[in-house]
Amino acid sequence: ETGVTQTPRHLVMGMTNKKSLKCEQHLGHNAMYWYKQSAKKPLELMFVYSLEERVENNSVPSRFSPECPNSSHLFLHLHTLQPEDSALYLCASSLAGTAYNEQFFGPGTRLTVL
Amino acid sequence: GDSVTQMEGPVTLSEEAFLTINCTYTATGYPSLFWYVQYPGEGLQLLLKATKADDKGSNKGFEATYRKETTSFHLEKGSVQVSDSAVYFCALSPPGGGNKLTFGTGTQLKVEL
Repeated sequence: ETGVTQTPRHLVMGMTNKKSLKCEQHLGHNAMYWYKQSAKKPLELMFVYSLEERVENNSVPSRFSPECPNSSHLFLHLHTLQPEDSALYLCASSLAGTAYNEQFFGPGTRLTVL
Repeated sequence: GDSVTQMEGPVTLSEEAFLTINCTYTATGYPSLFWYVQYPGEGLQLLLKATKADDKGSNKGFEATYRKETTSFHLEKGSVQVSDSAVYFCALSPPGGGNKLTFGTGTQLKVEL
């Protein structure tokens, strides 16, 4: 595997389900990000982990819970979601401490909440 | 705070036409500037970047020049192809890097035969 991978690519869940999204980066990076991409809206930064510590949480509802067990893996745990949470969830990684923040993205997980 | 403004789409062109997608930014100092492309059903891919004023980023026939005086980073291509149909995002990173990348809203490009 190369680059940034995400699983699953598609997920359909009910409002009472619990599921997790997984992201893995194979680039030797030490910062990882979750973004939400909804139709007709700008890309929304949800969480940032740098050196395995959460450094940013942009007022995301508690039904989204991130986990970063090591610098290569990032999870987004989902529970009791709402239909408006349906979106494309993108993971990205970068090398923290560089002069510019070049981020590499995964293909995304298309989430549908029924 | 930092912001990026892109022209609204969709932009529809015929194959081999000239492309310009405008991008202007608001930021303090000298940010790094990026263009990302998102093909249907995929994530964002870095297309090109420029890290200082007057730098020209280029890749796959696309070019963009960092213009500090007009705070712009317009994307151009001399002859588009159907395979260039995608959504293009302009983005900036503040001076010194940091963890935040500020994106524009994206511009959809449709290229027809």
